[in-house]
Amino acid sequence: GIQVEQSPPDLILQEGANSTLRCNFSDSVNNLQWFHQNPWGQLINLFYIPSGTKQNGRLSATTVATERYSLLYISSSQTTDSGVYFCAPGEYGNKLVFGAGTILRVKS
Amino acid sequence: GAGVSQSPSNKVTEKGKDVELRCDPISGHTALYWYRQSLGQGLEFLIYFQGNSAPDKSGLPSDRFSAERTGGSVSTLTIQRTQQEDSAVYLCASSSRAFGGVRYNEQFFGPGTRLTVL
Repeated sequence: GIQVEQSPPDLILQEGANSTLRCNFSDSVNNLQWFHQNPWGQLINLFYIPSGTKQNGRLSATTVATERYSLLYISSSQTTDSGVYFCAPGEYGNKLVFGAGTILRVKS
Repeated sequence: GAGVSQSPSNKVTEKGKDVELRCDPISGHTALYWYRQSLGQGLEFLIYFQGNSAPDKSGLPSDRFSAERTGGSVSTLTIQRTQQEDSAVYLCASSSRAFGGVRYNEQFFGPGTRLTVL
């Protein structure tokens, strides 16, 4: 099955800073999603991005499927951005394989 | 409802008891998934239902785990003879909303059921 690696595993930012989270995956995929897991455990959909680039406010994501990686950009970070960010490519049948996540802490 | 709902939100049980966890997917979604999130194991796939097709059970960790989906909507995950290692948050997701003739595979997750086995 697909192997997923996320980096960095932990990240501490000062409020207002920018960051880039990376996701490498080992096989071709037909789905890739980025999630933010908030402190209450809810998985919040950020992007559905099997390929290309999307932007939503301060967040944007790029997936280069041919090179098997995806990037999540967070600009002007806020304390509410804290939590765990998961990358999850989809295997055949579209079941998602989750990376270990990046734990983000934004300090005020 | 507007999103995926799960019940109960918390379940505490004794080792050896059976438990049932319920998932109500987003209306009209044809695909339904169960995942488990446990300390040290991350988020792992358990089982997948798509329409009337046979479910993909490849992620179920043992034969104590089973799931069914009635009428193509509500799903129940059953764990028999629970063990302490079954303690985890069980998450349900749904997807495959057809819009304008195009199928979208984006998965939307419920809030989860936190299972604690004493």
